[in-house]
Amino acid sequence: TQLLEQSPQFLSIQEGENLTVYCNSSSVFSSLQWYRQEPGEGPVLLVTVVTGGEVKKLKRLTFQFGDARKDSSLHITAAQPGDTGLYLCAGATSGTYKYIFGTGTRLKVLA
Amino acid sequence: DSGVTQTPKHLITATGQRVTLRCSPRSGDLSVYWYQQSLDQGLQFLIHYYNGEERAKGNILERFSAQQFPDLHSELNLSSLELGDSALYFCASSAGIHVAGGSYNEQFFGPGTRLTVL
Repeated sequence: TQLLEQSPQFLSIQEGENLTVYCNSSSVFSSLQWYRQEPGEGPVLLVTVVTGGEVKKLKRLTFQFGDARKDSSLHITAAQPGDTGLYLCAGATSGTYKYIFGTGTRLKVLA
Repeated sequence: DSGVTQTPKHLITATGQRVTLRCSPRSGDLSVYWYQQSLDQGLQFLIHYYNGEERAKGNILERFSAQQFPDLHSELNLSSLELGDSALYFCASSAGIHVAGGSYNEQFFGPGTRLTVL
């Protein structure tokens, strides 16, 4: 079974703190996406990483794809209450049509 | 606005009934995916269609079925409904089929249909 394990599962921090969310698998992914979902709404795509070792920045968010393309991380600098939500990594392993989502990290940023 | 539309937004029905959820993908997208999300749970992949053909199945119950029509819209049929089927059902679309990787894998989600089975 292909799994994308995310850690931590829950995170509650104060505004201004930094945090990192991890997404790990034993399988190789052709690419990985990160999404953010707010309650009652559909996930919204944040970024796609494709190349092993790739780093992408989106304002205060930094995404990294592992060298072996089996893992990824999301780092948020100076978190704000607007960053609150469910963060999901997702992808399809090379040569499959099954797209799987990670177990999710629920982030709450307190003002 | 992702460009993916889903109807209805809310649906309340009784156990044993049958419902149909509808999804229109973004213009030009050939792939449609269906997901189920129960309260405070992750996204469970149900099924994937590409250009009218079924490409992958996830943990979809036999009571559930789906199809993608020539105009690329898709319907998810849920029958013999049970209380445990109450959930948010999301449709997503992507440009192509995710074998090569890259942008073909990026999915754009609709607003969801909230199904309540009483």
